[in-house]
Amino acid sequence: EVQLVQSGAEVKKPGESLRISCKGSGYSFSSYWISWVRQMPGKGLEWMGRFDPSDSDAKYSPALEGHVTISADNSISTAYLQWSSLKASDSAIYYCARLHWNDVPVWGQGTVVTVSS
Amino acid sequence: DIQMTQSPSSLSASVGDRVTITCRATQNIGSYLNWYQQKPGRAPKALIYAATSLQNGVPSRFSGSGSGTDFTLTVSSLQPEDFATYYCQQSYSLPLTFGGGTQVEIK
Repeated sequence: EVQLVQSGAEVKKPGESLRISCKGSGYSFSSYWISWVRQMPGKGLEWMGRFDPSDSDAKYSPALEGHVTISADNSISTAYLQWSSLKASDSAIYYCARLHWNDVPVWGQGTVVTVSS
Repeated sequence: DIQMTQSPSSLSASVGDRVTITCRATQNIGSYLNWYQQKPGRAPKALIYAATSLQNGVPSRFSGSGSGTDFTLTVSSLQPEDFATYYCQQSYSLPLTFGGGTQVEIK
């Protein structure tokens, strides 16, 4: 079964750093892009960026470039979303998803991030 | 960037109704269009991919049509478990973009 399993909920203070993870299984991890999607409270879905594990290329939404870093470790089939300095406005649910051209989409279960002083 | 416009943004319907949601892209995206269902507190669930392909395990009352710039998600006979929010998403070019969502409520 193709699956993406994300790390657990996080509670952080403004200015702290954070890395959340997304582990793929049941498929060739390096063959498919992994995207990260943000959902702020009560809002819709917003694409943040994607990582191509085949060549380690990351692309970002223009609105978010510079604020987050997307990466992956092919050896453990795991993708990451990282912040160096969190803001209260980063409080949201973050989903990883295998969104690759016309292939079947696969989503993780989501990671809740709460940033509060 | 390709903008995806969904309509309506919300609708009220009864069990057994036929429901249609539309999604329009600002440029030709071929068949690179996915549809999702999301319930409160849950991750989006893929219903339709590549505009018309039904995801494994999704009931056949869901169907997708369209290509180019205009797409439709149809639920042939709405069931109680179908009350949720629905999103379209284009996978033709980066940045990937989503429609604003359609909330389907019980009449």
